[in-house]
Amino acid sequence: DAKTTQPTSMDCAEGRAANLPCNHSTISGNEYVYWYRQIHSQGPQYIIHGLKNNETNEMASLIITEDRKSSTLILPHATLRDTAVYYCIVRRAPSGGSYIPTFGRGTSLIVHP
Amino acid sequence: NAGVTQTPKFQVLKTGQSMTLQCAQDMNHEYMSWYRQDPGMGLRLIHYSVGAGITDQGEVPNGYNVSRSTTEDFPLRLLSAAPSQTSVYFCASSQDRANRAQHFGDGTRLSIL
Repeated sequence: DAKTTQPTSMDCAEGRAANLPCNHSTISGNEYVYWYRQIHSQGPQYIIHGLKNNETNEMASLIITEDRKSSTLILPHATLRDTAVYYCIVRRAPSGGSYIPTFGRGTSLIVHP
Repeated sequence: NAGVTQTPKFQVLKTGQSMTLQCAQDMNHEYMSWYRQDPGMGLRLIHYSVGAGITDQGEVPNGYNVSRSTTEDFPLRLLSAAPSQTSVYFCASSQDRANRAQHFGDGTRLSIL
């Protein structure tokens, strides 16, 4: 599985876009990039995932570079409720089994008024 | 739908005691997993299951047992609790093999004295 590197913490003003980077320089061609977040004391919440194309859903956008070695999660209009730890995960399915994501330490995003 | 339900939400044990953390999902998901989360760290995979009757070890399986007799339930057993097992435990389930969107429970906060 490719290793990911994320900044330990970031902050953002409410109403502005939050851009969370993730480096995954050893990513393989069949590995997906996933993003989850964990709001304090709650279970992690799936946000978005992608393979090589940019993706957008009601929560966020995911921009993956053309070489796939890095990606950025974009929260277009951050609110105070977006304060959370954000996890970037890269993994492929092992042969004969299912792939269960493993999580690193993530980025602690603080959205301030 | 209730999603993923974990019980109990809080528990205090003495060293050497045994107990079972319960996890149930009502989404007919095949894939289920258990994680632990310690302060300042991400989630670490303990055990996972790709279907009823099938389980496998994750990153930190020692001291824990699991079973999957039904699709709905995936209990985690601590055989002889140790202070090092003080943690927050999360159960998760997913519909597809790639686990592209895991659903998490709200966690069980376990303290071992």
